[in-house]
Amino acid sequence: GAVVSQHPSWVICKSGTSVKIECRSLDFQATTMFWYRQFPKQSLMLMATSNEGSKATYEQGVEKDKFLINHASLTLSTLTVTSAHPEDSSFYICSARDLDRESEAFFGQGTRLTVV
Amino acid sequence: AQRVTQPEKLLSVFKGAPVELKCNYSYSGSPELFWYVQYSRQRLQLLLRHISRESIKGFTADLNKGETSFHLKKPFAQEEDSAMYYCALEPDTGGFKTIFGAGTRLFVKA
Repeated sequence: GAVVSQHPSWVICKSGTSVKIECRSLDFQATTMFWYRQFPKQSLMLMATSNEGSKATYEQGVEKDKFLINHASLTLSTLTVTSAHPEDSSFYICSARDLDRESEAFFGQGTRLTVV
Repeated sequence: AQRVTQPEKLLSVFKGAPVELKCNYSYSGSPELFWYVQYSRQRLQLLLRHISRESIKGFTADLNKGETSFHLKKPFAQEEDSAMYYCALEPDTGGFKTIFGAGTRLFVKA
């Protein structure tokens, strides 16, 4: 199956700093990428949907100025957590789909963010 | 409201025993239903989707619209089936968003 690579796998940052997480589709063009957040022992919560070349659509309750999403190309989307706080510590997962081919969603391996 | 409910957080069965992971959904339209699996230290991956009506790794799932359920079944569990299983729903309103249940951890004992 197709591969989605997420980088970094884990990151520790200080409060107040910003962290960028990358999501790349390695062998297909992802028209749409999704960003999820997962708390311990809980489900994946959709944060936003990003389409290449357009603004991301955020779910209710997700601060768009806090979680900046950029989908500049068909193979790369980035999530930047700005002015990070300890409560932003979580597991962030991206998935990518080629909707032109009605493909299934392929998931990245996730990024563990710890804000100290 | 759109919701996927997996009532069991943990399910433990013996090898060779039948297994059923329950999933109920709340949605007024005609959603697409999925089961995703996450093996230890691996990423989430699609196991099966209701429209394909396939049996993957011995697992099947039937969509019951009357009961709004999409339970995952396997007649004879194997140790390698131990994993986290997520039931998921995709609304028919477009946008291709996926709504996940809380997940059920399946543990198959030798």
